[in-house]
Amino acid sequence: QLQLHESGPGQVKPSETLSLTCTVSGGSIMIRTDYWAWIRQSPGTGLQWIASIHYSGRFYDNESLRSRVAIFVDTSKNQFSLRLNSVTAADTAVYYCVLLSREGRVDSWGQGTLVTVSS
Amino acid sequence: ENVLTQSPGTLSLSPGERATLSCRASQSVSANYLAWYQQKPGQPPRLLIYGVSTRAPGIPDRFGGSGSGTDFTLTVSRLEPEDFAMYFCQQYGDSPLTFGGGTKVEIK
Repeated sequence: QLQLHESGPGQVKPSETLSLTCTVSGGSIMIRTDYWAWIRQSPGTGLQWIASIHYSGRFYDNESLRSRVAIFVDTSKNQFSLRLNSVTAADTAVYYCVLLSREGRVDSWGQGTLVTVSS
Repeated sequence: ENVLTQSPGTLSLSPGERATLSCRASQSVSANYLAWYQQKPGQPPRLLIYGVSTRAPGIPDRFGGSGSGTDFTLTVSRLEPEDFAMYFCQQYGDSPLTFGGGTKVEIK
């Protein structure tokens, strides 16, 4: 069964860069039609889609975060990663890595990792 | 973006009762790409329904979805104790993918 696991620092200082990695196990990241994605959840903004990437490198991102977001995939490690720069307290959230169907529904979720932006 | 508004914010019901949750979109949802998720404290959301009315694998048939255009409904025909949770709708017909703010179904 496919499993996704987020890893990365639980705390980031304001103005610095948040970096998270998702390790996929129980299957290959090279799924022909599906996309891998990051979604975050906070009391203030609810569930927010950040960006999606296909193993080929094709990606889509949320325009509201585009200037600060990078997403990339490492097929050799069965991982994909998120970078969000210039963070503020508003970026404090639980970050989930997920598997999206070709259409865009979320078929699988990681357990999530809480990232707090604080000095 | 397609903003999803869920109502009510909280639904207080007893086990065995019927729950009706609403999700209204600011624009018509393309291709009826509307999903529902259930979330319990400390857990990620779980897919219940996709394509408006198709149950995900393993989801009991007391969960049902309906609607079209901009108005959608999740119905739980008879609430079981494990059904008391948060529920979110999501549209995936247009970018950006968006989620509703959620409805909490609590025990009365």
